Amino acid sequence: KNQVEQSPQSLIILEGKNCTLQCNYTVSPFSNLRWYKQDTGRGPVSLTIMTFSENTKSNGRYTATLDADTKQSSLHITASQLSDSASYICVVTQVNAGNMLTFGGGTRLMVKP
Amino acid sequence: DTAVSQTPKYLVTQMGNDKSIKCEQNLGHDTMYWYKQDSKKFLKIMFSYNNKELIINETVPNRFSPKSPDKAHLNLHINSLELGDSAVYFCASSQSPQGFYEQYFGPGTRLTVT
Repeated sequence: KNQVEQSPQSLIILEGKNCTLQCNYTVSPFSNLRWYKQDTGRGPVSLTIMTFSENTKSNGRYTATLDADTKQSSLHITASQLSDSASYICVVTQVNAGNMLTFGGGTRLMVKP
Repeated sequence: DTAVSQTPKYLVTQMGNDKSIKCEQNLGHDTMYWYKQDSKKFLKIMFSYNNKELIINETVPNRFSPKSPDKAHLNLHINSLELGDSAVYFCASSQSPQGFYEQYFGPGTRLTVT
């Protein structure tokens, strides 16, 4: 079983609506958790990065939350735009593995007009 | 003004061939990585170099050999290609191997082995 699980696997929403993507992880101990956006045919681009002591981090219409006790994170997208259509990947940095990144499988978001 | 570039973007080849993928970063970073993204979209680390020295070498067949001629370049050579090598390979770089530093990814190389 992967140490970083994301849900849902895919999501379709209408333009202008909000959505929340979930990430559960078992990686421990970890130093930070990141959310990446990956457009089709492109490399991942960082949206947010949170240390284990942070609860929330915003980047424009993207807001990530982290609950280190329950090992859960979420990414909330406000007022979605067509350009938000992409895969969103949750990534956890393992402290005891040379700071390697462990990637979730991503949530594929499609925003429709 | 590309930060991390890879060539080629697409690579189609037959089983048994040897191929190379090149990566260059102009960010002045010390650390570079190779990742493999499989059909289920999971990204997995293959190798990491810091200042031209190998620091991470995950369980990867020794048919894969990274080479870092200088800090700005990390190439990936693959011998005797197999069907299972078909995937998208991403190069990335970061200022330092310390886990907090941002990693910047290249556009990926889609390798198809027939």
